[in-house]
Amino acid sequence: EAAVTQSPRNKVTVTGGNVTLSCRQTNSHNYMYWYRQDTGHGLRLIHYSYGAGNLQIGDVPDGYKATRTTQEDFFLLLELASPSQTSLYFCASSGDWGHYAEQFFGPGTRLTVL
Amino acid sequence: GDSVTQTEGQVALSEEDFLTIHCNYSASGYPTLFWYVQYPGEGPQLLFRASRDKEKGSSRGFEATYDKGTTSFHLRKASVQESDSAVYYCALRLNTGNYKYVFGAGTRLKVIA
Repeated sequence: EAAVTQSPRNKVTVTGGNVTLSCRQTNSHNYMYWYRQDTGHGLRLIHYSYGAGNLQIGDVPDGYKATRTTQEDFFLLLELASPSQTSLYFCASSGDWGHYAEQFFGPGTRLTVL
Repeated sequence: GDSVTQTEGQVALSEEDFLTIHCNYSASGYPTLFWYVQYPGEGPQLLFRASRDKEKGSSRGFEATYDKGTTSFHLRKASVQESDSAVYYCALRLNTGNYKYVFGAGTRLKVIA
């Protein structure tokens, strides 16, 4: 069974604070993704990666950095958090092609920026 | 750019009602189309997918047919149950170039017993 884990599950920080969200997958997938989920907007892609050291810019990247340290681990960094970044964040992984094209999502991290 | 448009907001039905959630897409290539379901407190999970024109995807009584002519992938179920209450996302993935997925805004289904 494909597995994606995220930590922490909940995080509260203040405006201007630094936050790192962690994601690990044990699926041996090359692709990993960070999304934010907001009412009325669905899932919006922040950054994604197709392997260690690779980073691709998504559709809503402003205010976010990401780093893929290994095939398993993908981190999302908020260096100067703002209240507009209060959201539910999901990490996902996927294989490259065909039967493996579905995404497997983690359980999410709820971030509140005060 | 590539986009997915689906039934907005919430759909409220009674048990055994027929469900339709509309999904239309716009894509420059020939995408794979997906329906994902998200239950409270969980991440989205795949319901089913289709990758060719006229292909029908189905799972748990839900089904949708890939229609390239009308660029649609409408979700249907003949008789909904309270346990089907969830948020449903239509999505696409292009099979050329990058491997991004594009999601619709989601449709919340509430089934009343």
